[in-house]
Amino acid sequence: GQQLNQSPQSMFIQEGEDVSMNCTSSSIFNTWLWYKQDPGEGPVLLIALYKAGELTSNGRLTAQFGITRKDSFLNISASIPSDVGIYFCAGRAGGTSYGKLTFGQGTILTVHP
Amino acid sequence: GAVVSQHPSRVICKSGTSVKIECRSLDFQATTMFWYRQFPKQSLMLMATSNEGSKATYEQGVEKDKFLINHASLTLSTLTVTSAHPEDSSFYICSAEGQENKAFFGQGTRLTVV
Repeated sequence: GQQLNQSPQSMFIQEGEDVSMNCTSSSIFNTWLWYKQDPGEGPVLLIALYKAGELTSNGRLTAQFGITRKDSFLNISASIPSDVGIYFCAGRAGGTSYGKLTFGQGTILTVHP
Repeated sequence: GAVVSQHPSRVICKSGTSVKIECRSLDFQATTMFWYRQFPKQSLMLMATSNEGSKATYEQGVEKDKFLINHASLTLSTLTVTSAHPEDSSFYICSAEGQENKAFFGQGTRLTVV
């Protein structure tokens, strides 16, 4: 089946620093989605990407859909304490698996004031 | 953005009883909803795809008789954990597809079976 490798697994940074995390896949995806999850809550959609090469921003967040359609990255600039949480990438393929999302393992972000 | 509401947020039940979790899309219609299970500090594991008006599609290894899914309307899907046991304790999350194929998640349900 499809697999998503998300890295790094965890990050400990100082407030104000930039953050980068990425996901790679063994197969092609048609859609990439990035989510943030706070403890005890459901994931919240941050950015959705639909085309290879697409670069999209949402405030301090920027994400890109890789040209090969097998990877995506998320950057957070000038981190603040409320950025703390778990970030997940998710990919959706077409065909028979239409609609299903495959999730990365998550990146745990800790921001020190 | 689209809102998905999940209820209850927390439930404690006795071993052997059944628990029903509701997932509602509040401001859009969802012909397809998804149910996930999440263990502490792990990623989301898809359990089943809930289809309005038809049977759910379960992922390999998920017992359909234990995790009953009903998608009775375009805005409501329910997951019933039957004859719950302590090993069923987990965080259950639903999602619904909104516009532009974006998946929106409910708040999650923390199930504790004692």
